[in-house]
Amino acid sequence: EAGVAQSPRYKIIEKRQSVAFWCNPISGHATLYWYQQILGQGPKLLIQFQNNGVVDDSQLPKDRFSAERLKGVDSTLKIQPAKLEDSAVYLCASSPRGTTDTQYFGPGTRLTVL
Amino acid sequence: GENVEQHPSTLSVQEGDSAVIKCTYSDSASNYFPWYKQELGKRPQLIIDIRSNVGEKKDQRIAVTLNKTAKHFSLHITETQPEDSAVYFCAAITQGGSEKLVFGKGTKLTVNP
Repeated sequence: EAGVAQSPRYKIIEKRQSVAFWCNPISGHATLYWYQQILGQGPKLLIQFQNNGVVDDSQLPKDRFSAERLKGVDSTLKIQPAKLEDSAVYLCASSPRGTTDTQYFGPGTRLTVL
Repeated sequence: GENVEQHPSTLSVQEGDSAVIKCTYSDSASNYFPWYKQELGKRPQLIIDIRSNVGEKKDQRIAVTLNKTAKHFSLHITETQPEDSAVYFCAAITQGGSEKLVFGKGTKLTVNP
């Protein structure tokens, strides 16, 4: 079974630039999550999709972050404009049904904002 | 909302010793508590989880205990090996609004040969 795929793996940008991350979840998984992991901390949920609908985006900074999950499969997370404090690893995860199923994480995208 | 506290932040043990990591949570309605292991530069991976209808669960050298009254749960690793060295995260489901996982800040475990 293929795992969660993410790209790019690394990205370096200047502050105020924009960036986009892509995630392909495990086939058949209904729920997709985007987490932000700042160095030395645990993952923090940014947004959760159930199929192509948003379940929770309460911790997503909506003035600069946006995400979509078209056709209930792949997802993109965008930051525009980026700030220095956005430097982190962005992890995508998926689970078969809901939050109490095992969440399988992708390798993450390490973002550095200069 | 849910708050998950994890202790200690770092733990160093000798190979063969046991390691214990403790977490407390605030949402009394939480009913699912997974533990993830994250090796340096790699993705978090689930190692064990426990639901609120049981008090203990074991898988080979790893066990998790849950005390719902005190709102704390612990990870126990016996006969530690160097390959157990990693950062371990506990998490709990928050029931406020939609269900979501809230993670602790992590424990860096070092197993010295």
